[in-house]
Amino acid sequence: DQQVKQNSPSLSVQEGRISILNCDYTNSMFDYFLWYKKYPAEGPTFLISISSIKDKNEDGRFTVFLNKSAKHLSLHIVPSQPGDSAVYFCAASGAGNQFYFGTGTSLTVIP
Amino acid sequence: NAGVTQTPKFRVLKTGQSMTLLCAQDMNHEYMYWYRQDPGMGLRLIHYSVGEGTTAKGEVPDGYNVSRLKKQNFLLGLESAAPSQTSVYFCASSYSRAALYGYTFGSGTRLTVV
Repeated sequence: DQQVKQNSPSLSVQEGRISILNCDYTNSMFDYFLWYKKYPAEGPTFLISISSIKDKNEDGRFTVFLNKSAKHLSLHIVPSQPGDSAVYFCAASGAGNQFYFGTGTSLTVIP
Repeated sequence: NAGVTQTPKFRVLKTGQSMTLLCAQDMNHEYMYWYRQDPGMGLRLIHYSVGEGTTAKGEVPDGYNVSRLKKQNFLLGLESAAPSQTSVYFCASSYSRAALYGYTFGSGTRLTVV
């Protein structure tokens, strides 16, 4: 029973264009959401977060959007760079200590 | 500037053997976690600890035990390994519940049980 879903296993984007990675969740009690980036043979690294009191958070080229009514969040990367090629995981948490992770989306940025 | 260090990085076990995975962090973090990553499943929480001497079950705790005798170390034990425990194991740590600051992850341990 996957509470956090990333329905696109992979995404290819041209360098300089926008990358949009999507994530859906089922638990309306989730109130914190994070995105992680993972390179092969490395652990995930924290990228950006958002709480349910906001609908947008920006950090440089990365912006996360939250649509609570649709239980949907997205990560926008603009402009995309070849170094952004990695697997991206979204994660969500409610009142407890556990974050639930999605299955990941593999992003390839084509030079 | 080590962050989170996992030992070993790779291991092959025979069914029924036991082993312990070690996680060490040098950031004085209170919270530590063990996750497993399997194809098509994302990362799933096995056990976690909110401080020295404490442990709690996560989403998939069966077949694993943990101990947090020192604040900087979090051990994951497999008493009798099974092929279903073939996975990549990640340890992570955080100051608090890490709601908006994320975890610091180790580089992973790839375990194969044959």
